[in-house]
Amino acid sequence: QKEVEQNSGPLSVPEGAIASLNCTYSDRGSQSFFWYRQYSGKSPELIMSIYSNGDKEDGRFTAQLNKASQYVSLLIRDSQPSDSATYLCAVKGYLRSYIPTFGRGTSLIVHP
Amino acid sequence: GAGVSQTPSNKVTEKGKYVELRCDPISGHTALYWYRQSLGQGPEFLIYFQGTGAADDSGLPNDRFFAVRPEGSVSTLKIQRTERGDSAVYLCASSQDRVSDGYTFGSGTRLTVV
Repeated sequence: QKEVEQNSGPLSVPEGAIASLNCTYSDRGSQSFFWYRQYSGKSPELIMSIYSNGDKEDGRFTAQLNKASQYVSLLIRDSQPSDSATYLCAVKGYLRSYIPTFGRGTSLIVHP
Repeated sequence: GAGVSQTPSNKVTEKGKYVELRCDPISGHTALYWYRQSLGQGPEFLIYFQGTGAADDSGLPNDRFFAVRPEGSVSTLKIQRTERGDSAVYLCASSQDRVSDGYTFGSGTRLTVV
């Protein structure tokens, strides 16, 4: 089992819809969770971080964390074509000395 | 500086040659990380520096790879006897707090071994 798992996609949604991106992780001791956006040919850019169970909202983005289920998700409301990118989930925990482990990313396509 | 700076942005080298990739982190960030990203994959951890010392080099694939950070700021990733399989984007990131912070990545160095 990979430490951080994401469906590679692509996930295709129409403009204006809600995009839901999911991530599961194996280390129960994980403490910090991050979502990065990576445009084609560019480096990853941090968009959300979450540390405790529940929801965290920032503009059109909502991160959701459920430590019991070892599950973290990212919701993008009112999706725009400019949101088309690969979304990487990253997890930090004691077992890995707080070095982030990344998933392979989910490709999101928002079509007009 | 304002962001993480990596040079060169692109490097093409012949198989068997030696290359150096440079990373200049955000001023004041004590934690520095090197990752490698192949096409269609997430970043793969290589090495982590806390200050001048390599706190964790467990991700380095073999002894052809080495990295230094002599003064606790700029870091250089060195690859000896390059192989075609080393071709990837090499990403550097820095953070102020290794436990809670997310990263700021540099723009990466695309290494192509021909």
